[in-house]
Amino acid sequence: AQKVTQAQTEISVVEKEDVTLDCVYETRDTTYYLFWYKQPPSGELVFLIRRNSFDEQNEISGRYSWNFQKSTSSFNFTITASQVVDSAVYFCALMDTGRRALTFGSGTRLQVQP
Amino acid sequence: GAVVSQHPSRVICKSGTSVKIECRSLDFQATTMFWYRQFPKQSLMLMATSNEGSKATYEQGVEKDKFLINHASLTLSTLTVTSAHPEDSSFYICSAQGGGKFSNQPQHFGDGTRLSIL
Repeated sequence: AQKVTQAQTEISVVEKEDVTLDCVYETRDTTYYLFWYKQPPSGELVFLIRRNSFDEQNEISGRYSWNFQKSTSSFNFTITASQVVDSAVYFCALMDTGRRALTFGSGTRLQVQP
Repeated sequence: GAVVSQHPSRVICKSGTSVKIECRSLDFQATTMFWYRQFPKQSLMLMATSNEGSKATYEQGVEKDKFLINHASLTLSTLTVTSAHPEDSSFYICSAQGGGKFSNQPQHFGDGTRLSIL
């Protein structure tokens, strides 16, 4: 069975601080995809990144960066110089290439204080 | 712009009412659509997977007679919550997956439907 664990339920930081959101996953599949989504208070899911299991290169997109470590089954997400607009719930998710449904972690609520 | 449209965005109705939620892919053919449910401050849980032209596959514990899913065309899937009760109040969100060369593209999510049963 697949499982995604986001151990941090809630994080509060002050604007301009860096923050890392942890994600650990479990799967028996050799081919899979990992995702991060942002869910603002309005509820919609905003796609941030997709990473396939064969690509362990870290990725940077503006203030966002992702660290994929297959050896520890982790896919962590770092926001550099956080802003108030980053306040949201962030979900890490896992997709197997067979069923293609997403298994979500429990989410991390990030609050960025001005 | 949005590639998946979900309607309505919010529903408030009386207990016993049946509620239909639509999920449309706007500029691609969605061979597979997924329905998720999210209780307040909780994660999204997969309810069912629907493939165009065939019966939906429901996750364990999801009542197929309570949550009717129809995927009659490549651009539309509907979820009907039959005889809704207060415990069915939740946030329902769909996602759509293209087929063929689009099958490796990320799923596109609708904006969700907040259902409140009084």
